[in-house]
Amino acid sequence: DAGVIQSPRHEVTEMGQEVTLRCKPISGHNSLFWYRQTMMRGLELLIYFNNNVPIDDSGMPEDRFSAKMPNASFSTLKIQPSEPRDSAVYFCASSLSHEQFFGPGTRLTVL
Amino acid sequence: GQQLNQSPQSMFIQEGEDVSMNCTSSSIFNTWLWYKQDPGEGPVLLIALYKAGELTSNGRLTAQFGITRKDSFLNISASIPSDVGIYFCAGPHAGGTSYGKLTFGQGTILTVHP
Repeated sequence: DAGVIQSPRHEVTEMGQEVTLRCKPISGHNSLFWYRQTMMRGLELLIYFNNNVPIDDSGMPEDRFSAKMPNASFSTLKIQPSEPRDSAVYFCASSLSHEQFFGPGTRLTVL
Repeated sequence: GQQLNQSPQSMFIQEGEDVSMNCTSSSIFNTWLWYKQDPGEGPVLLIALYKAGELTSNGRLTAQFGITRKDSFLNISASIPSDVGIYFCAGPHAGGTSYGKLTFGQGTILTVHP
């Protein structure tokens, strides 16, 4: 298996622009997690899905953030409008049980 | 809520030395996971522990599930430069509807000097 795939690996954008991060989970996994990692706050869970249904989005910072999972093999995390404080590494992870498998991450820089 | 406390926060060691780090909680965990994050990459699962008292090895890595179920230890023997990275412990949230949601420790940053 190719593992969790994320794109893009790097994104540089200007404040106010829309950013879309993409994730393809491991085939057969039924849970998908979006995390954000910064030096100051460490690894934070933003939202997670089970069987394509959002279960807990309490970690989403504010309404500028939204996530979708239209099918079992694809999820997006969108930030609109983006702000400099959104700069971070965003990880997607998938699991079938408790063992989560992480993608390589998207490093987002908002200027 | 459930919290995991990792110690030490960082370690600076010489190549060849053994390393020991631990993770503690005020709550009981039924599963302990240890991840390693290389610079610029996502966390990678190293070892999973499912039974109190369990001792599991993966090459030079050995992890133990504490008998009280409130702690876990990770040891690395004969460290090498590629052991550099951040090590995280993690455990699943309690409750039947957590769907695999994990609590993560703050991480231990390991630096190995050649």
